[in-house]
Amino acid sequence: KAGVTQTPRYLIKTRGQQVTLSCSPISGHRSVSWYQQTPGQGLQFLFEYFSETQRNKGNFPGRFSGRQFSNSRSEMNVSTLELGDSALYLCASSLGTGEADTQYFGPGTRLTVL
Amino acid sequence: SQQGEEDPQALSIQEGENATMNCSYKTSINNLQWYRQNSGRGLVHLILIRSNEREKHSGRLRVTLDTSKKSSSLLITASRAADTASYFCASASGGSYIPTFGRGTSLIVHP
Repeated sequence: KAGVTQTPRYLIKTRGQQVTLSCSPISGHRSVSWYQQTPGQGLQFLFEYFSETQRNKGNFPGRFSGRQFSNSRSEMNVSTLELGDSALYLCASSLGTGEADTQYFGPGTRLTVL
Repeated sequence: SQQGEEDPQALSIQEGENATMNCSYKTSINNLQWYRQNSGRGLVHLILIRSNEREKHSGRLRVTLDTSKKSSSLLITASRAADTASYFCASASGGSYIPTFGRGTSLIVHP
């Protein structure tokens, strides 16, 4: 089975711009979660989508949004970029069926905001 | 805020030695997972231990869970240079199965 893929792998943007990141989950997985990883804050949960609906949400401002398509692929959008948004953005897919669900992570998108 | 906190933050050992990392968490959990991350890359799932389990093994990995102390440990036996990575514990609690990650332990294994 192919793993979780994320595109692009690297991105450089300037403050005020917006960005869209993409995640393709493992075939058969219906849950996609997004995380932001920074040296200062560690791994922070952004949101989770399951069957095209946002099922869980972390504590991030409304500038961070996402969606999921019928094929379970997911996109994350950040509007009005700030310097502090520079981070590694990771998506993870899982079956989404229960408490012993294992998340499988993609390689991440490294976003740099100048 | 972080649910789990790993200790130590950094660990440097020689190849062949054992590496032990600890994780403490704050609230009752449904399960606890350990992940590995090689520099700047995605996380790799290592092992999941349920709240009603006390110990689990996978190859050279041994995970213990002490719910009374709200702590877990990951032991890597006979470490190899390829084990050099950051190790994270992640726990899901309450009605949520979304894992919350600690800040990680950075392990360096010298050949």
